[in-house]
Amino acid sequence: GAVVSQHPSWVICKSGTSVKIECRSLDFQATTMFWYRQFPKQSLMLMATSNEGSKATYEQGVEKDKFLINHASLTLSTLTVTSAHPEDSSFYICSASYGYTFGSGTRLTVV
Amino acid sequence: TQLLEQSPQFLSIQEGENLTVYCNSSSVFSSLQWYRQEPGEGPVLLVTVVTGGEVKKLKRLTFQFGDARKDSSLHITAAQPGDTGLYLCAGPSFGNEKLTFGTGTRLTIIP
Repeated sequence: GAVVSQHPSWVICKSGTSVKIECRSLDFQATTMFWYRQFPKQSLMLMATSNEGSKATYEQGVEKDKFLINHASLTLSTLTVTSAHPEDSSFYICSASYGYTFGSGTRLTVV
Repeated sequence: TQLLEQSPQFLSIQEGENLTVYCNSSSVFSSLQWYRQEPGEGPVLLVTVVTGGEVKKLKRLTFQFGDARKDSSLHITAAQPGDTGLYLCAGPSFGNEKLTFGTGTRLTIIP
């Protein structure tokens, strides 16, 4: 079955620094990937749609300059949280449209 | 905007009991998915229902899609501690692959 690998599984960073999260499709090509954010005890909220070879589409209220998405190949999408602040601390999850397969998530803590 | 409301939000029952989780919307969905999410992990797809009135069984789990394709239910028979987790329904928006997630039901099965 389709497998999506997300890395790292957790990261702690200092306020003001940037963090990159990778999402890879291991056994299929993903022209479209999705990035979600999940706060504790809440559901998943879609942040953006990542399209291979073109600009990402961001949901309303998501700062595109803060959450940089790059989908340079058919198997890799990256989310970079720039100038991170404590309020950016959350669980970030990616998925590929094929089979609605999700990565294992990245727990980001900004201190 | 398509919204999916789940009920109950929290459910804690004894092992061996039966339960039903509901997923309701005022919008029509082409399909609905049900996921289970463990703490610190991404959601795992349990089932996809496509046809109005469809019933799918997965061992002790029974999924039903409403006739009007606006609602769905998940029934668990003889719940076991391994069923503990966050259950999420989700549906794709018409015309694209973006998923709207339900509000979630946090299920705890007490041994």
